[in-house]
Amino acid sequence: NAGVMQNPRHLVRRRGQEARLRCSPMKGHSHVYWYRQLPEEGLKFMVYLQKENIIDESGMPKERFSAEFPKEGPSILRIQQVVRGDSAAYFCASSPKGQGPNEQFFGPGTRLTVL
Amino acid sequence: GESVGLHLPTLSVQEGDNSIINCAYSNSASDYFIWYKQESGKGPQFIIDIRSNMDKRQGQRVTVLLNKTVKHLSLQIAATQPGDSAVYFCAENVDYGGSQGNLIFGKGTKLSVKP
Repeated sequence: NAGVMQNPRHLVRRRGQEARLRCSPMKGHSHVYWYRQLPEEGLKFMVYLQKENIIDESGMPKERFSAEFPKEGPSILRIQQVVRGDSAAYFCASSPKGQGPNEQFFGPGTRLTVL
Repeated sequence: GESVGLHLPTLSVQEGDNSIINCAYSNSASDYFIWYKQESGKGPQFIIDIRSNMDKRQGQRVTVLLNKTVKHLSLQIAATQPGDSAVYFCAENVDYGGSQGNLIFGKGTKLSVKP
């Protein structure tokens, strides 16, 4: 059973370009979470999605950032017009369907560098 | 501000000794806690979890203690090994009335094991 998959593992963009980060949850998992991690810091929640629904986007910046989890295919975190401050590691996690909190399984992350 | 924090940012122990990593949280509504281990360049790896209706849970070489009175969480690692060297994060989940919610992470403690 493959774990959470993320690609690309490393992404370099110039200021003003777009970044697209992909996440495939573990098989059978219908909940996806995106987190951002700056060096030497903990992970900060960004958005929580289920298939075709955004459940909680309270951690997402109001502009330039968007996320989706379509019926088919991976979840996408999209950053438009990237700036240097967007440089960070972005982690995706998934958990199984069900009531109450469950363990979140993390992917290896995408390290975004904005030049 | 953050509701989860750690008392010690770094911890150095001798191989074979026991390690104790502490974590304080401030949200009394938190009902689920997880300890994650993160090695350099990798995503967080689940170690152990505990729900708020428990005060102790044991795994293989690890024990988590929860003191709800003082909002304190600790991770004990028995017979620490060089492979335990990593950054350890505590994370909490707030009960949103049955929804999964997101995890709130502390800043992490770096554990260094000396051979």
